[in-house]
Amino acid sequence: DTAVSQTPKYLVTQMGNDKSIKCEQNLGHDTMYWYKQDSKKFLKIMFSYNNKELIINETVPNRFSPKSPDKAHLNLHINSLELGDSAVYFCASSLGQGWTTGELFFGEGSRLTVL
Amino acid sequence: AQSVTQLDSQVPVFEEAPVELRCNYSSSVSVYLFWYVQYPNQGLQLLLKYLSGSTLVKGINGFEAEFNKSQTSFHLRKPSVHISDTAEYFCAGNYGQNFVFGPGTRLSVLP
Repeated sequence: DTAVSQTPKYLVTQMGNDKSIKCEQNLGHDTMYWYKQDSKKFLKIMFSYNNKELIINETVPNRFSPKSPDKAHLNLHINSLELGDSAVYFCASSLGQGWTTGELFFGEGSRLTVL
Repeated sequence: AQSVTQLDSQVPVFEEAPVELRCNYSSSVSVYLFWYVQYPNQGLQLLLKYLSGSTLVKGINGFEAEFNKSQTSFHLRKPSVHISDTAEYFCAGNYGQNFVFGPGTRLSVLP
């Protein structure tokens, strides 16, 4: 059983399109995250949800909209895709709001390529 | 500002040699520290973590790290590396609400 699963794993699309990435965790965690990893492997937090409520919203263009229908799911929708959005997007989850055990569990990533 | 630095972007080492990957963190009243490993085309998995207690922490795959408060460091070590240890290694700090990753160190183990 995959603990944190993301779909799709690969996504190739044209500039200007809208796309979504889905994430699900079966660990019973109540906090979920989206991270962006650029071509230099640098990891940056984008959003964090705790029990479906947004708790971290870093400086991210408002073309990016997270949605958490329940605490086991956190989806990322991106409007009007730009070349600079090409990256690997990682979903992660943790028990509590990260500063209890502090450990994040990561999905395998979704590689987005914008042409 | 809360930050985690990894001074070495790449570390090449021969198989069966020892290795140390360096990590320094910005000081804080309370910080938890972690090392994660990312194999090619995979997500990150936890190697080890320091929350409190003994400053020498042992993790999976024979890795260990030492928390040094005076030097604000949390260096990762392995006495003898294998080809399969080739990966990207990330140091991270949990500063409460803010979980900060270092820029990563690419460990390449050469035959």
